[in-house]
Amino acid sequence: AQTVTQSQPEMSVQEAETVTLSCTYDTSESDYYLFWYKQPPSRQMILVIRQEAYKQQNATENRFSVNFQKAAKSFSLKISDSQLGDAAMYFCASKTGTASKLTFGTGTRLQVTL
Amino acid sequence: DGGITQSPKYLFRKEGQNVTLSCEQNLNHDAMYWYRQDPGQGLRLIYYSQIVNDFQKGDIAEGYSVSREKKESFPLTVTSAQKNPTAFYLCASSPGQGSSGANVLTFGAGSRLTVL
Repeated sequence: AQTVTQSQPEMSVQEAETVTLSCTYDTSESDYYLFWYKQPPSRQMILVIRQEAYKQQNATENRFSVNFQKAAKSFSLKISDSQLGDAAMYFCASKTGTASKLTFGTGTRLQVTL
Repeated sequence: DGGITQSPKYLFRKEGQNVTLSCEQNLNHDAMYWYRQDPGQGLRLIYYSQIVNDFQKGDIAEGYSVSREKKESFPLTVTSAQKNPTAFYLCASSPGQGSSGANVLTFGAGSRLTVL
């Protein structure tokens, strides 16, 4: 069974600063995918970034990047130049190649202050 | 624009009543999912369907039922057997296995169910 752990219930960052959200996962599969989803106050889940486990290069999407440490089973999200619109719940999720479902962590609430 | 439409956005139910949440997608996705979200617990899978006329139980299927008669539609019925139905429900879809983007879920805006 897969598990995803987010140990930071809440984080805070000042506008324009950088913040890192932590995520660890556990799977016995070699073929898997990792995701970060954002849930703003509207509650619509939005894909932020994804990483295929077979790729060594860390994924990057504009101000969002990941630090994928396969041996440590760690998948942290770095948000650079934080903006007020980044305030949301962030969920880490994993999916094995053979599974049909995503397994989610419990989320990290990110506050962005002026 | 392609997307997923969930309705109603808010729903109130008396104890003992069944209610059905609607989920419609025009993304031509093969797979559809229902997740439940409770505070502090992330998202938990209720049911999923990879093809029309077929569906499987997720982690918390007890007290719920689904149907998949059309590719575009995957309604969820919350029955009176569900002991604690008050929650936020999210529907999602993805391309079929083997398709480009098969591992990426697209979500609807959700439905909030409150039992009075």
